[in-house]
Amino acid sequence: GQQVMQIPQYQHVQEGEDFTTYCNSSTTLSNIQWYKQRPGGHPVFLIQLVKSGEVKKQKRLTFQFGEAKKNSSLHITATQTTDVGTYFCAGYSSASKIIFGSGTRLSIRP
Amino acid sequence: NAGVTQTPKFRVLKTGQSMTLLCAQDMNHEYMYWYRQDPGMGLRLIHYSVGEGTTAKGEVPDGYNVSRLKKQNFLLGLESAAPSQTSVYFCASTGHPTEQSNQPQHFGDGTRLSIL
Repeated sequence: GQQVMQIPQYQHVQEGEDFTTYCNSSTTLSNIQWYKQRPGGHPVFLIQLVKSGEVKKQKRLTFQFGEAKKNSSLHITATQTTDVGTYFCAGYSSASKIIFGSGTRLSIRP
Repeated sequence: NAGVTQTPKFRVLKTGQSMTLLCAQDMNHEYMYWYRQDPGMGLRLIHYSVGEGTTAKGEVPDGYNVSRLKKQNFLLGLESAAPSQTSVYFCASTGHPTEQSNQPQHFGDGTRLSIL
């Protein structure tokens, strides 16, 4: 069956350092979404990527969708303490079939 | 402006007991989902529904049943609870996808379920 792998599982950085999480699917995706979950909270939608090779930016966050639509990445420049949380990718192989990655938990040393 | 509401927020059950988790959304969304979240395993899809009266199995459907009798409600049932079902359960809803893309999923606050 379809699998979506996300690495790393954990990342601990000094405030101000950059952070990247990677998402890889075993099958071609129609689109991919990214979510953030704060400790004790629920996942909150960040962005969706649809087109092959697409790059989108939200302030310090940069999202990429691979040319083959099987991988994606989220890069945070100059992390801040407000970036703490777990970041999930979620891949759609069809209109209703969604698989979440296992998430990358980001912690930050002030 | 409630969005997605899950009840209850916490529950402790004994092995073999049954219970129903309720998810209600006020955004007129067609699609609704039930996930479980366990440490280090992300969100795993249990069951989902693409409209009133329809349900489908996700990745981990065994031991659970669902019903979508009304568009705004999606119920998750545990007929005979087992310790392996101890988890945090999230409900989500989303609008109908377009030809090009899906809609964002809106999540409830979760139900923390412990089975002894």
